Amino acid sequence: QQQVKQSPQSLIVQKGGISIINCAYENTAFDYFPWYQQFPGKGPALLIAIRPDVSEKKEGRFTISFNKSAKQFSLHIMDSQPGDSATYFCAARISGSARQLTFGSGTQLTVLP
Amino acid sequence: EPEVTQTPSHQVTQMGQEVILRCVPISNHLYFYWYRQILGQKVEFLVSFYNNEISEKSEIFDDQFSVERPDGSNFTLKIRSTKLEDSAMYFCASRDRVNEKLFFGSGTQLSVL
Repeated sequence: QQQVKQSPQSLIVQKGGISIINCAYENTAFDYFPWYQQFPGKGPALLIAIRPDVSEKKEGRFTISFNKSAKQFSLHIMDSQPGDSATYFCAARISGSARQLTFGSGTQLTVLP
Repeated sequence: EPEVTQTPSHQVTQMGQEVILRCVPISNHLYFYWYRQILGQKVEFLVSFYNNEISEKSEIFDDQFSVERPDGSNFTLKIRSTKLEDSAMYFCASRDRVNEKLFFGSGTQLSVL
């Protein structure tokens, strides 16, 4: 029940295209859903996060769409750029205290110039 | 932006040896975490630490692992007797009481030979 399932495992997109990564969860107690971006040799860095009381959150070219009834959320990267090439992890957490962040398996995004 | 600092960046050790991985969390943060990432795989939770005690730990965090906050700034992960399967990138992370954002260090790559 702690799992977060992420797809696809890898994604290749042309520059200017839209990248879409999907995640699904089972534990309805999760109430915080961040996306992390990781470059090789670096730690994950928070990109954008959402709580289940909203269905969409947009920050620049990055948008999270959240479907509470389906227990799914997705990351959309508009106008994808070669500099966006990285591994993206969705995650979920029960907020409060020192609760752990449960990560998805990651998506390796490659944006072709 | 403030940073979580980890040392060393690489550690090579022989199987059965003890290793200590060191972290300096962001100064006003109160919650501290260790995660690990085996090459090409997802980020896995090991342990969370708050108020000088372990809050949560995963099944990976067995009796061979321990954490300590020996002073006001450092947070360490000790592996008592390393195994080959402990080879991974180990990430320290921290957050403050209010903000959900988890800040990760750049990691320590542990290689057990």
